[in-house]
Amino acid sequence: DTGVSQDPRHKITKRGQNVTFRCDPISEHNRLYWYRQTLGQGPEFLTYFQNEAQLEKSRLLSDRFSAERPKGSFSTLEIQRTEQGDSAMYLCASSPLQSNGYTFGSGTRLTVV
Amino acid sequence: QQQVKQSPQSLIVQKGGISIINCAYENTAFDYFPWYQQFPGKGPALLIAIRPDVSEKKEGRFTISFNKSAKQFSLHIMDSQPGDSATYFCAASMGDSSYKLIFGSGTRLLVRP
Repeated sequence: DTGVSQDPRHKITKRGQNVTFRCDPISEHNRLYWYRQTLGQGPEFLTYFQNEAQLEKSRLLSDRFSAERPKGSFSTLEIQRTEQGDSAMYLCASSPLQSNGYTFGSGTRLTVV
Repeated sequence: QQQVKQSPQSLIVQKGGISIINCAYENTAFDYFPWYQQFPGKGPALLIAIRPDVSEKKEGRFTISFNKSAKQFSLHIMDSQPGDSATYFCAASMGDSSYKLIFGSGTRLLVRP
């Protein structure tokens, strides 16, 4: 499979717990993006990486959120002390350098109860 | 200025009809305007995209019409099919190095057989 893979597909967690999501981009893609999509809305930009460097973070990404891409390959997005408002679909996308051509993964749906 | 406004919120079309979805933007720095198609449980998939130096782009049954002076663009789906039933998002990207996307709120299209 040469697409963008995200794991897990679904996560249910209790409020206050920490969760971590993983994204495996298309192998030759330098750029990796995280977006959040709430029900009935379009995706909202959270952050992006070029290789291992995190180049921009949205103001939506509070201190409870952290993302890494340690070797410029897969990326993780961690949410600490989850809140009900964190319930959403978390989408990962990758692209070649200097390209608008994103490929999105199928997302991780987080439900905080 | 960062928003992309999309309408209608939902659309019902008979098989064989034309589906039209509209988007408007304010920021003249946007220089790339894609449309994404999203099926339930899947990530958005790039359908077709246009740059502001072109007024129309056609790929198969899908056409983007772009009106730079009005800061509006639209997606036309000709000969709509039940398999086109999905949520469609317009988006815009600024001409900076991030290539991050600002999405509209989506249009849920239902094509009746």
